[in-house]
Amino acid sequence: QVQLVQSGAEVKKPGASVKVSCKASGYTLTSYNINWVRQATGQGLEWMGWMNPNTGNTGYAQNFQGRVSMTWNTAISTAYMELNSLTSEDAAVYYCARGNWYHALDFWGQGTMVTVSS
Amino acid sequence: QTVVTQEPSFSVSPRGTVTLTCGLTSGSVSTSHYPSWYQQAPGQAPRTLIYSTNTRSSGVPDRFSGSILGNKAALTITGAQADDESHYYCVLYVGNDLVFGGGTKLTVL
Repeated sequence: QVQLVQSGAEVKKPGASVKVSCKASGYTLTSYNINWVRQATGQGLEWMGWMNPNTGNTGYAQNFQGRVSMTWNTAISTAYMELNSLTSEDAAVYYCARGNWYHALDFWGQGTMVTVSS
Repeated sequence: QTVVTQEPSFSVSPRGTVTLTCGLTSGSVSTSHYPSWYQQAPGQAPRTLIYSTNTRSSGVPDRFSGSILGNKAALTITGAQADDESHYYCVLYVGNDLVFGGGTKLTVL
């Protein structure tokens, strides 16, 4: 069965970077996009961008352009999201989600909590 | 900037029917926006309910249905149950981006 397993919680200082991983199983990573979504405590879901491990293409939401990088390692079926120049507003749970052929997110990781604190 | 609108909150009686909507501040929602719907319980990852307007995700009961109603996408829950009490988010595909609505908190009482 399809599973996305994310890395554990992170605590970072303002100005630092965080890199979250998302290991896919039950399907071939290169067959589908991976999207990243975040959710601050008590807030709604916010789409950050997508990556296509087959074509190498990426697309980032305007709010994150210049600060986010989405990469992958097909050998270990793992996708990564790195966010730079963290501020307190980046404290959130970060989710990876598989994108299907209908521009929907059909399987989700369990989430990774990122805390930003000095 | 595209803004997707949802009712902030809604309530439904057990065994009742409720329709949540998903609109655009500028323009109409159509099937070309590939509306999708997600349910999120507190402390949990979202669960996919509906994609491509009206296709139920695997394992989703048929009391959840999606449609286009007028100029909005809609999620209808027929025969609401206590465990349907949750947050519901719609997503629209706009210009190669995905845009989430602000979510609807559904109360079953």
